[in-house]
This record gives sequence, C-alpha cells and structure tokens, in this order.
Amino acid sequence: GQNIDQPTEMTATEGAIVQINCTYQTSGFNGLFWYQQHAGEAPTFLSYNVLDGLEEKGRFSSFLSRSKGYSYLLLKELQMKDSASYLCAVRVHNAGNMLTFGGGTRLMVKP
Amino acid sequence: DAGVIQSPRHEVTEMGQEVTLRCKPISGHDYLFWYRQTMMRGLELLIYFNNNVPIDDSGMPEDRFSAKMPNASFSTLKIQPSEPRDSAVYFCASSHLNEQFFGPGTRLTVL
Repeated sequence: GQNIDQPTEMTATEGAIVQINCTYQTSGFNGLFWYQQHAGEAPTFLSYNVLDGLEEKGRFSSFLSRSKGYSYLLLKELQMKDSASYLCAVRVHNAGNMLTFGGGTRLMVKP
Repeated sequence: DAGVIQSPRHEVTEMGQEVTLRCKPISGHDYLFWYRQTMMRGLELLIYFNNNVPIDDSGMPEDRFSAKMPNASFSTLKIQPSEPRDSAVYFCASSHLNEQFFGPGTRLTVL
C-alpha cells in the first residue's frame, strides 16, 4: 500500500507565501496530485506531477522529487478564499487511475 | 457538461434501513470511483470501475456495502442494512486521463 503524510493544519497570513509538504512511500509510483477542498464542498483538482521538478499554475506551484518521495504545494499571494483543505494523492502503476489520498492539510488564512 | 451528478444530496435514515446512493459520471469518462469521507478517516476509496467493470473493491468496509455500474452513465452504492457508523459524506468521481472530477457528494446520516 501507500503511506502518505502531510501536516494536519497550517496557518498563514493574507498576502504571504505558504508551502504545504507531502511525503509518500510507495512502489510503482505513477504520479502525485494535489486537490483543494473547501469546507462542505467536493475536492477539486489543482495540479499533477509525474516528473521531478516544479509545475507552476498561476499563484499555485507544485514540486516533486521522486527519489525523496516528497512533494510540496506552494501558494503565493495568499487570499482569504485560499482557506481550505489541501489533499495530496498518489497514483501507482497497474492501478488505473486509482488515487490514494493523504489526510489533508487544513490551511487557515488570516487577515 | 454538467459535471458528475450525485443524488440525493442529503439522506437521513434510521439504522437498519437500506440506503441507495446514485451517480452519473461525466460522459466519456471510463473510470468511476466511490469515496467516503469522515473527519476521523479522511477520504477513503471504496471501489472503482473501469469501463463499467469493478476493478478494486478492497476498500468496501463489509458485505453490507455493494456497488454496481450497469452502464457507462450510471452507478449505485447501496448500504443494507445501514448503521450509525456509516454516517459520512459519500463522493463519486469520474476520470478519463489524469484528473478526477468529483461530484458534490451525498451527506448520509444514519440515526
């Protein structure tokens, strides 16, 4: 199976930068995903990494190091609406599009 | 496309009753996933289908849970008999390539 770890909660200030880390242990790694979930809503896709390096998408960036089993999600110019849970998920070979999710990091953005 | 559609959005039932949750995936998506989310256990995969065929049901908690996908546009998750510990939000998601699209979820309360 997969073991995925991410911090339970983080707090940051509006306008700042925050980095949410995710470590995983798995065999047959075939991609790492980040999802955002606002309270009472469904998860929505943010990013996908399968190769090492940084993927940038507007204010959000995601980094992957396969050799270290490590990823982070970087949120810049934080806005109040970024307060949400951020879920890290791993996909492995021979499991189709099945994802295993971490417990999520609840981010609170304060004024 | 209207996205993934789930019904009902809320369900309150009494212990011992049968519960049926419904999902219509996005047209053209060949993968369908059923998840359960609770505060204690996070987002857990229950079962997934590929081209209407169940591929991995190892996440189904016990025989009280069953899922079907009679065609590419419809799936059901049934709990019979329901128990209070089944109270959770149940999400359906579908995908074709990398990104999974989640439905709005069904909030189930078993009294």
